[in-house]
Parts: sequence; structure tokens; C-alpha cells
Amino acid sequence: KQEVTQIPAALSVPEGENLVLNCSFTDSAIYNLQWFRQDPGKGLTSLLLIQSSQREQTSGRLNASLDKSSGRSTLYIAASQPGDSATYLCAVPNAGGTSYGKLTFGQGTILTVHP
Amino acid sequence: DTEVTQTPKHLVMGMTNKKSLKCEQHMGHRAMYWYKQKAKKPPELMFVYSYEKLSINESVPSRFSPECPNSSLLNLHLHALQPEDSALYLCASSQEPAYGELFFGEGSRLTVL
Repeated sequence: KQEVTQIPAALSVPEGENLVLNCSFTDSAIYNLQWFRQDPGKGLTSLLLIQSSQREQTSGRLNASLDKSSGRSTLYIAASQPGDSATYLCAVPNAGGTSYGKLTFGQGTILTVHP
Repeated sequence: DTEVTQTPKHLVMGMTNKKSLKCEQHMGHRAMYWYKQKAKKPPELMFVYSYEKLSINESVPSRFSPECPNSSLLNLHLHALQPEDSALYLCASSQEPAYGELFFGEGSRLTVL
């Protein structure tokens, strides 16, 4: 059974810092990995989808890397801003079985960027 | 346009009421999902529709009844709910049923009195 862990659970940084959020998964047979952002009381916003054949994916100040063999992904946020404050979730789809394609989510990292 | 629209945004209902949540997407996606999210927890999958057919039901109680009238619409019918069913209900869609990028709506906040 796939398990996804995110470290740290919470992170508070001053504006302007570069930061790294970590996501690890137990079953390396993944098709892709998706990073989401969630503001309080809102839906999830897709940030980046990184395919299993890719090592990195970039969007603006965000960069996601994937190391399938070690079961890890990192989300790098450059020059953080107060508007980046949110919960960040990573998720991988189950491979095979009756719930194939079902996303397994990590518990999330709560990020606070203070001015 | 990567938009999934959910209505209503907020819903308060008694345990004997019948209500529905609605979800719409116009991205031509072939899979649509209902998730339930409690405070400070990740979303939990409830149902998946693939090509307008129910493909996954995560052992959800029958008081929740999904419906997919067409490829753009997804409903969740609610009846005889319990206070513990209060949560944020999220709809999502993806191009591919199993491994596509998921796009979520803003959610419907449900309170059961």
C-alpha cells in the first residue's frame, strides 16, 4: 500500500527566503506525482505534475524534482512571498488493483511566509 | 480554461433534508471525482466517474448518491446525513481517468445540523 509522507509538517519563514518542501513515497512504481496548493477553506490548486520519466518540472518560482528510485520529490520555492502562505500537498496515483489511479495524498506542509 | 465550478459554495441542512451538490467542467475531461475533506486532513476519495460510468466507490454510505448526467456534469445527492458528514466536498476532473493531472473546484462547505 502506497504511503506518502511530507516533511516538515509546518514551516514559517521570512519573506524572500528560498525554501524546500519534501515528499516521500514508499512504492516507487509511480506514474507521476502532483503538487497542490490549498488556501484555507478553498479547493486545491494544481501547481506541478511531474511524470515518472521526468527529473524536474518548473513553473515560475516553483521547481519540483523527482527521484523515483529513492522515493522522493522536492518542491523548491524561490524568493518566497507572503502570498505563498498556504498548505502544500503532494499526491501520487495508485498503480494497479481495484483503486488504480486513486490519489494517495501526503498530510501536507503548512507554509507561513511573514513580511 | 482550467476551471471546475461547484455550487453551492455553502450548504446548511438538517438530518432529514434532501439536497444536492453540483459540479461542472468544460475542459473535455473524461473523469470526474468527488472528494471529502475534513479540517486539517488531506482529501479522501469518495467516487470516480470514468467516461460517465461509476468506476470507483470507496465504500461510501448510501446516504451519498452520485450521478453523472453527462460528461460535463457531476452531482452528489445528499439524504439523511449525519452531523459527522459536515466537511468540505471537493469535485475534481482529469483528462485521463487514471493518471491525468487533477483539477479541483473551490468546494462546497456542508454543515449538517
